Formats: sequence, C-alpha cells, structure tokens
Amino acid sequence: GAGVSQSPSNKVTEKGKDVELRCDPISGHTALYWYRQSLGQGLEFLIYFQGNSAPDKSGLPSDRFSAERTGGSVSTLTIQRTQQEDSAVYLCASSLGSNEKLFFGSGTQLSVL
Amino acid sequence: DQQVKQNSPSLSVQEGRISILNCDYTNSMFDYFLWYKKYPAEGPTFLISISSIKDKNEDGRFTVFLNKSAKHLSLHIVPSQPGDSAVYFCAASAVNAGKSTFGDGTTLTVKP
Repeated sequence: GAGVSQSPSNKVTEKGKDVELRCDPISGHTALYWYRQSLGQGLEFLIYFQGNSAPDKSGLPSDRFSAERTGGSVSTLTIQRTQQEDSAVYLCASSLGSNEKLFFGSGTQLSVL
Repeated sequence: DQQVKQNSPSLSVQEGRISILNCDYTNSMFDYFLWYKKYPAEGPTFLISISSIKDKNEDGRFTVFLNKSAKHLSLHIVPSQPGDSAVYFCAASAVNAGKSTFGDGTTLTVKP
C-alpha cells in the first residue's frame, strides 16, 4: 500500500502480558516515529528513528517500552508487563527525513484489562 | 513543561464563517511548524506548514500565520465547512531535533 500500515488495529491484553505493535512505513521514508494518544490527551512522543543514526528514545515512559527498526524499514514497538495506564492509541508515522511532514498510520488501540 | 500549547480544547463556528485556531510555543529553537487534522479512528493527516523564515502561508481555504516574537501561530479556515469538523493539532520541530512536538489539540465543530 501507499500509506503507513499498522497492525494490529486493536489489541486487548491482560495486565502483565507483553505486546508487540508493528509499523510498516512508506517506502523510501528514512524517518520513523512512534507516538501515543491517551484518552482525551494530545500526541505524546515516544521514539524516533532516522536512517542509521541512534534512535531518540527520550520519550519512552519506562524501561518496559522498547522499539526497533529492522533494515531501515519495519518497526516494532514492544511493551513488556503491560499496565492499565499503557492503554492508549499507539500511532506510527514516517517522513522523508527529519523536519518534514509526517504521514501517520491509523494506529493501534491498545486496551490493558 | 509543555513546549507546544493549544489553550482552547474546543471551538464551535457556523458554516461559512471563519475558524481561528491558536497555538503557542516556548522553545525558541523551533523553526518549522505544522498543522494536522484528525478524524475519529484515523491517524492525523498533514494540513499545512510554515517555516520560521515566513510569517504567512496560504493553501486554499487554509492560512497559517506565524508571529515569532510572540511565539504564536494560528490557523485560519475560511469559509468553514461541516467537513472541517475534526481535531486540529499544532506541531513544531527544530532542525537539530528531528522529532515533532505536538499540542493537545483543538476540537473544531462547524455547524450547518
């Protein structure tokens, strides 16, 4: 497809379980971002990948959160030992480079029971 | 410390009138500003942007104004249409940072 693809679109999990969220960016986009939006809140930055540079992990809320980007393309956001406060929409975006407009996926709605 | 602020959570206007959405920022290193529109259950989509070397950028019904001295930008929609009803996010980035920092959004409702 031409856009950013995220899977799954919805994920319901039990507290304490690990989850993996996937993002397929637009082909050729060197920058990839993860944001999350909690209910009634704005977009909270999580992590940013740019080419082969070390990722900017400054937004990850705890060491339970990690992300990787393989081959400069697909990215996986992993949340270990999920907590109820992790419930949110997790949005992935990609761009041609840094300081460019972002193209967002439709997000993964994560619900931790 | 919220670096990008949208102080109005919601705005309601009549169809055909002007909608003005405001955004303030605190980081003087920001040099690129963007507006995104978001419908329910969808990701945000890019609407319009402005570089810090300009004070105005226009695209059809949408105009963004930047006042660097006041660290303030605004989005004008004229005329407003019911299909414009959505959440509007202001975002800012700095050339050395790469990532975009978003405001909390303003929900615009355009009444027919």
